[in-house]
Amino acid sequence: QVQLVQSGAEVKTPGASVKVSCKASGYTFINHYIHWVRQAPGQGLEWMGIINPSDGKISYAEKFQDRVTMTRDTSTSTVYIELRSLRSEDTAVYYCARGVALIYMDVWGKGTTVTVSS
Amino acid sequence: SYVLTQPPSVSLAPGKTAGITCGGNNIGGKSVHWYQQKPGQAPVLVIYYDSDRPSGIPERFSGSNSGNTATLTISRVEAGDEADYYCQVWESNNNRPVFGGGTKLTVL
Repeated sequence: QVQLVQSGAEVKTPGASVKVSCKASGYTFINHYIHWVRQAPGQGLEWMGIINPSDGKISYAEKFQDRVTMTRDTSTSTVYIELRSLRSEDTAVYYCARGVALIYMDVWGKGTTVTVSS
Repeated sequence: SYVLTQPPSVSLAPGKTAGITCGGNNIGGKSVHWYQQKPGQAPVLVIYYDSDRPSGIPERFSGSNSGNTATLTISRVEAGDEADYYCQVWESNNNRPVFGGGTKLTVL
């Protein structure tokens, strides 16, 4: 079955970077975009960006453009998101989600909790 | 940028029909998708393209979209339907998805 398996929880200090992985299985990796969406405690869903695993093309949300990098490794069917210069407001659960024709997300990873605290 | 407005909460008794709205300027001209998120879990797609249901989603879940309002309808609500529900559209001008703020469904 289609699965997105994310890496484990992270605790970081302010100013550090974090890299979260999302390994896809059960479908042809290059045929679907991957979105990254985060959710701060008690808050709604916030879109961060999207990567096309086929050619590596990326679109970032304007809010994160100067601090985020998304990459993919087709040999392992894994996508990554790196967020730099972390601050306490980046404390959130980070989800990867498979995109369908770009416009909606049909399968989600279980999420990776990132805690930023001094 | 495009804004989607949802009521923060909806409460009703078991067996009743819940209507969760998602307002947006001429949203009827867009495709709306709905996600269910139970506490401590990842979102799950429950409706796509306004009214289509993924496999495994009960027929009690349905959707409609017209004018400035899209609606997720849950018939014969059960305790297990308690969750946050988010609507989402694709904003083609900016090439990005937009989420509503979410609605917490409480089954009394």
